[in-house]
Amino acid sequence: TQLLEQSPQFLSIQEGENLTVYCNSSSVFSSLQWYRQEPGEGPVLLVTVVTGGEVKKLKRLTFQFGDARKDSSLHITAAQPGDTGLYLCAGVGFGNTPLVFGKGTRLSVIA
Amino acid sequence: EPEVTQTPSHQVTQMGQEVILRCVPISNHLYFYWYRQILGQKVEFLVSFYNNEISEKSEIFDDQFSVERPDGSNFTLKIRSTKLEDSAMYFCASSSYEKLFFGSGTQLSVL
Repeated sequence: TQLLEQSPQFLSIQEGENLTVYCNSSSVFSSLQWYRQEPGEGPVLLVTVVTGGEVKKLKRLTFQFGDARKDSSLHITAAQPGDTGLYLCAGVGFGNTPLVFGKGTRLSVIA
Repeated sequence: EPEVTQTPSHQVTQMGQEVILRCVPISNHLYFYWYRQILGQKVEFLVSFYNNEISEKSEIFDDQFSVERPDGSNFTLKIRSTKLEDSAMYFCASSSYEKLFFGSGTQLSVL
């Protein structure tokens, strides 16, 4: 069974601070996806990282895929209250294996 | 922007009753999924559906669960005899390749 561990589970920071959340596994994935989920809504895809070592930027969000394709990180620069939400990583296996989600990091950015 | 729609948004039922959760996937998508999220837990895969048949299912998806695509647009999840532990947010998702689009979910409460 492929498992994804996300850390920290909860994070509360002040507006303007930087933060990094992590997604780790002992399994290799063909790609990793990051989602953001608002209360009462479904997860919304932010980015997919495919190549080991890949870095993708989405405005103030920087996503990195580990060289071994077992882990990923999400770095947010100058966090804003609008960044508040649950950030989920999800691993795409090989073949037709279904997407595996981590438990998420619940981020709260305080103005 | 096209979206996955789910109805109802909330469903309350008595233990042992049958429920049908409905989803309208994005029209040109070929793959359909049901996931669930128990309060405070991770998003868990239930079943994937392609070419009018189940392609993958998890251990959670036992004989009490079934899926159908009755009319080429709707995609339903039926729980035959609900249990207390079926209480969760159920998400439908559809994709053309690896990018999943999630609906807003149906909050199922089994009393």
